[in-house]
Amino acid sequence: GNSVTQMEGPVTLSEEAFLTINCTYTATGYPSLFWYVQYPGEGLQLLLKATKADDKGSNKGFEATYRKETTSFHLEKGSVQVSDSAVYFCALYGGNYGGSQGNLIFGKGTKLSVKP
Amino acid sequence: GAGVSQSPSNKVTEKGKDVELRCDPISGHTALYWYRQSLGQGLEFLIYFQGNSAPDKSGLPSDRFSAERTGGSVSTLTIQRTQQEDSAVYLCASSLYRGDTEAFFGQGTRLTVV
Repeated sequence: GNSVTQMEGPVTLSEEAFLTINCTYTATGYPSLFWYVQYPGEGLQLLLKATKADDKGSNKGFEATYRKETTSFHLEKGSVQVSDSAVYFCALYGGNYGGSQGNLIFGKGTKLSVKP
Repeated sequence: GAGVSQSPSNKVTEKGKDVELRCDPISGHTALYWYRQSLGQGLEFLIYFQGNSAPDKSGLPSDRFSAERTGGSVSTLTIQRTQQEDSAVYLCASSLYRGDTEAFFGQGTRLTVV
């Protein structure tokens, strides 16, 4: 079945540091890929998405590129801020291809703490 | 409504009792999901409703768990004979069409089984 694996946290960075959170997936067909973010005390919200290979999703300075050859969708930001402290979830929607699950599947989440 | 609404926000129940958790999705959204979020476990998929299709129940952990969605709108997740390991935050999300459109999450119901 479909699955998402993302790097374990927590990740602690200083302000203005470069961020990478790795995410790889296993899926049948052509999934859509997402990053969701959960800020402290808030609900999950979509950060960015990419729906086909080589697409780049971007939002709030974060970027992720859909790499079919490496089945990856790593999240990056060039200069993190204290306000980026949150839990980040990589997710996959497999559609209804060849028996794959037509639901939205999440990784375990990576907690990011940014220190001033 | 303005967003996905879940009730109650907190529920404490005794082991062995049944509980019902409610989700009001965004009006017009055809897809509805239930997840369970346990500390350190990420989001565990439970069940997925899409329009009038049969729900995908593949994530329900046992036959004590069931869910229904009435009239393509409100959904209720029922846990029978609750166990302590059922303690978690139960999240509901809805999206306009299928899962490749943005999913909007409720604030969740924190269930504590004592």
